[in-house]
Amino acid sequence: AQKITQTQPGMFVQEKEAVTLDCTYDTSDQSYGLFWYKQPSSGEMIFLIYQGSYDEQNATEGRYSLNFQKARKSANLVISASQLGDSAMYFCAMRDGANNLFFGTGTRLTVIP
Amino acid sequence: EAGVTQSPTHLIKTRGQQATLRCSPISGHTSVYWYQQALGLGLQFLLWYDEGEERNRGNFPPRFSGRQFPNYSSELNVNALELEDSALYLCASSLGEASNEKLFFGSGTQLSVL
Repeated sequence: AQKITQTQPGMFVQEKEAVTLDCTYDTSDQSYGLFWYKQPSSGEMIFLIYQGSYDEQNATEGRYSLNFQKARKSANLVISASQLGDSAMYFCAMRDGANNLFFGTGTRLTVIP
Repeated sequence: EAGVTQSPTHLIKTRGQQATLRCSPISGHTSVYWYQQALGLGLQFLLWYDEGEERNRGNFPPRFSGRQFPNYSSELNVNALELEDSALYLCASSLGEASNEKLFFGSGTQLSVL
C-alpha cells in the first residue's frame, strides 16, 4: 500500500502568491515524522520542514508552513510569497517508527513571473 | 561543515558491467541511506547502513549491494548492470534513527547504462 500520496504532478503559481502542495500519508504508527524536501534541477534534496506526529502546532520555517491535519492524515506544504527560485520538485516524506522513510512521487512547482 | 558528498557525479557504463558509487556522510553521522530515483519517479529506498552493518534493504535484487566502512563512508555496488538501472542515486545521512531525525542528502550520482 502506498504510504505517501501526492496527487498533484504539477502546479503553477504566480510570483508573490501563496501555493499549497498536497500530501496524504498512511500509517498505523503513533509516532512518526513528516518531512518536505525540495529538489531543484541540480538533483540535491534540500530539507524544508518537519512535523512530528505529536506536535500540536503546525510547523513553520520562514515562508514554509505545514498544514498538519492528523485525523485526515494530511500534511500539506504551504509556500507563501512564491519566488522564482521556488521552482523545483517537492517531495513529501514520512519516517515511521521502524526508521523507514517513504517518499511520495513529488509535485513539480513552476513559479510564473 | 561539509555536507554529504557523493562521487562520481556522473557515471556511464554498459550493460553487464559493474558500477561503484561512493558516499561520505556528514561528520558525526553514523547512518547512511541509499535511494534510487529513476527519471520522473520518486525516491525508492535501496539500503540503510548504520555502524558498519546493513540494517535494512528495499525491494531490489541482490545485485544491488553495498558496505559501510569504519569511517562511516559507504559504497553502493551494482552488478550486471541493466538498462533500467539508469537513474539518479542519492545518498543521505542522519545522526540517529528517531522519527524526527531528518536526512541530509548529497547531490547524487547520475548513472547511465548504455
